[in-house]
Amino acid sequence: QKEVEQDPGPLSVPEGAIVSLNCTYSNSAFQYFMWYRQYSRKGPELLMYTYSSGNKEDGRFTAQVDKSSKYISLFIRDSQPSDSATYLCAMSHTGNQFYFGTGTSLTVIP
Amino acid sequence: DTAVSQTPKYLVTQMGNDKSIKCEQNLGHDTMYWYKQDSKKFLKIMFSYNNKELIINETVPNRFSPKSPDKAHLNLHINSLELGDSAVYFCASSRTRNPLEQYFGPGTRLTVT
Repeated sequence: QKEVEQDPGPLSVPEGAIVSLNCTYSNSAFQYFMWYRQYSRKGPELLMYTYSSGNKEDGRFTAQVDKSSKYISLFIRDSQPSDSATYLCAMSHTGNQFYFGTGTSLTVIP
Repeated sequence: DTAVSQTPKYLVTQMGNDKSIKCEQNLGHDTMYWYKQDSKKFLKIMFSYNNKELIINETVPNRFSPKSPDKAHLNLHINSLELGDSAVYFCASSRTRNPLEQYFGPGTRLTVT
C-alpha cells in the first residue's frame, strides 16, 4: 500500500465551480501536509501547507486536514481556467522528506 | 532569471548508455534534491544534498549517482540506462533542509529506447 493515495482523475469542471481534491494516507505520524500545483511541462510549485490538523485559507484556496480519518482536502472556489493543472498532495512526518500522491489532473472549462 | 535550471530539457537515449543531467540553482540555497516523476505523475525523492553532503539517499539502483561539485550544483549521473528509467527528473533546492521551501526546476524528460 502506498503511503499516500490520490485519485488521478481527470477532473473537468465548468468555470466558477467549486473543486474538491482529496488525498488519503496510511502513516499516522504525518504532521506536514502540502498541496502543490504543477502546470504541464513545469515543475511543481507549493500552493499551501498545513501543520497538524485544521483548516487553512488563502484566497480562493482552502486546505483541510482530518487526522482522525487520515484524509486531506483542497477546495478551490470560483475556479478559473488558469487553475487547470495537476494538483499533488504531499506529506511528511519529519519535515525533511516528503511523500507525494500521484496527482489529480484538473481542467476548468471556460 | 531562472532560479533552478536543468540541462538538458529532453534526453532520448538507448538502453545501456550512460548519461548525465545537470542542475544549477542561483538562489544561494544550501540544500538540493533530485526527484523522479513517472508517467502516472508519482513524484518520488531520490537524493538530497545539504552543503555538498548527502543527507537523503532513497532506495534507488546504484546505477544512479549524484555529484555535487559545489553548493549551487547537483548533477545526476545514470549508468547502464534501462527502459524503466524513462521518466521526468526534477531538481529542486531549498534554503534550509526544510523541503517546504523548495523550488523545483523545469524537469528533464528522459526517454530510454
